Amino acid sequence: SQTIHQWPATLVQPVGSPLSLECTVEGTSNPNLYWYRQAAGRGLQLLFYSVGIGQISSEVPQNLSASRPQDRQFILSSKKLLLSDSGFYLCASTGEANYGYTFGSGTRLTVV
Amino acid sequence: DQQVKQNSPSLSVQEGRISILNCDYTNSMFDYFLWYKKYPAEGPTFLISISSIKDKNEDGRFTVFLNKSAKHLSLHIVPSQPGDSAVYFCAASNRGSSNTGKLIFGQGTTLQVKP
Repeated sequence: SQTIHQWPATLVQPVGSPLSLECTVEGTSNPNLYWYRQAAGRGLQLLFYSVGIGQISSEVPQNLSASRPQDRQFILSSKKLLLSDSGFYLCASTGEANYGYTFGSGTRLTVV
Repeated sequence: DQQVKQNSPSLSVQEGRISILNCDYTNSMFDYFLWYKKYPAEGPTFLISISSIKDKNEDGRFTVFLNKSAKHLSLHIVPSQPGDSAVYFCAASNRGSSNTGKLIFGQGTTLQVKP
């Protein structure tokens, strides 16, 4: 079965510092990959998705970027974090028969 | 524009009773709907889904109902158990579109099942 690895689990970063969150997928090939953010008291907002290596689509304008250097690797980055970037970041992958997603365990980012 | 809406932020029910979580959508092109369950500090896990060609799908204690004319779906949990306490997300997809597989999520409903 499919497994999503996300790290780190928690992160506290100062405003203006860079960010790199990594997500790797096991148990499937050529998945569609997604980055979601859950802000405090809000739902899951789609940030980026990728249908293949080097292919990134952005859903909302923001201070973040994404890259997919390998088939099963998806990276979320920022050059300078803002306070509003705080939230719970989730990586997800398609490929299972239920046409839904498999999610990673998430990264809690606090920008101070 | 919130295409998938869960208008109840929270719901509290007694153990053994029925929990009904509601979800509304606006995009008539959605043809597949899913419910996810999420515990704090964890990723959501898939619970149950339904295709737009059906109006009901049942899996154990969980049943999802779809009313396409009203653009409304609901998740019924019977009987509710304390371990069901979590945040429930409704999600929708247009599988007939390009192969992006994007899921649009609602805001979530926090369910508390009291012993």
